Amino acid sequence: DAGVIQSPRHEVTEMGQEVTLRCKPISGHDYLFWYRQTMMRGLELLIYFNNNVPIDDSGMPEDRFSAKMPNASFSTLKIQPSEPRDSAVYFCASSFGGGGEQYFGPGTRLTVT
Amino acid sequence: GQNIDQPTEMTATEGAIVQINCTYQTSGFNGLFWYQQHAGEAPTFLSYNVLDGLEEKGRFSSFLSRSKGYSYLLLKELQMKDSASYLCAVREGQVLSFGAGTTVTVRA
Repeated sequence: DAGVIQSPRHEVTEMGQEVTLRCKPISGHDYLFWYRQTMMRGLELLIYFNNNVPIDDSGMPEDRFSAKMPNASFSTLKIQPSEPRDSAVYFCASSFGGGGEQYFGPGTRLTVT
Repeated sequence: GQNIDQPTEMTATEGAIVQINCTYQTSGFNGLFWYQQHAGEAPTFLSYNVLDGLEEKGRFSSFLSRSKGYSYLLLKELQMKDSASYLCAVREGQVLSFGAGTTVTVRA
């Protein structure tokens, strides 16, 4: 298996622009997690899905952030409008069963200027 | 919610042993994970403890005491490639809460 795939790997955008991050989980995994990592706040859970259904989005910072999972092999995290404080590395992870180990994708490094 | 504490940095010599401690407070506990993260890369799974005791996996071992809210990761026979950040994560339900990470620097 190719592991969790994320795109793009790097994104540089200007404040106010819409940003869409993409994730393909490992085939057969039924849980998908979106995290954000910064030096100041560490690795934070934003939202997670089980069988394509959002279960807990309490970590989503504000209404500018939204996430979808239209099918078992694809998820998006959208920021609209983006702000400089959104600059971070965004990781997607998947697991089989909620208690199993989570496999992380390579991350998307987002820079908002 | 979670309160997870681990040291910020540790330095050790190649071939030595280093122990990274993690203490946590949680309202519900379903297991403790250790992840390794090299600079600029994604976290990768190292170990999982759900019962008290020691889990050994090659050069790496992890210990858990649920009553004390305490875990440690033991790295033996340190190699230069072990220089990385080590993240302690507590599972509550299906959610992992991560500590800030301990940066381990291995010197020749």
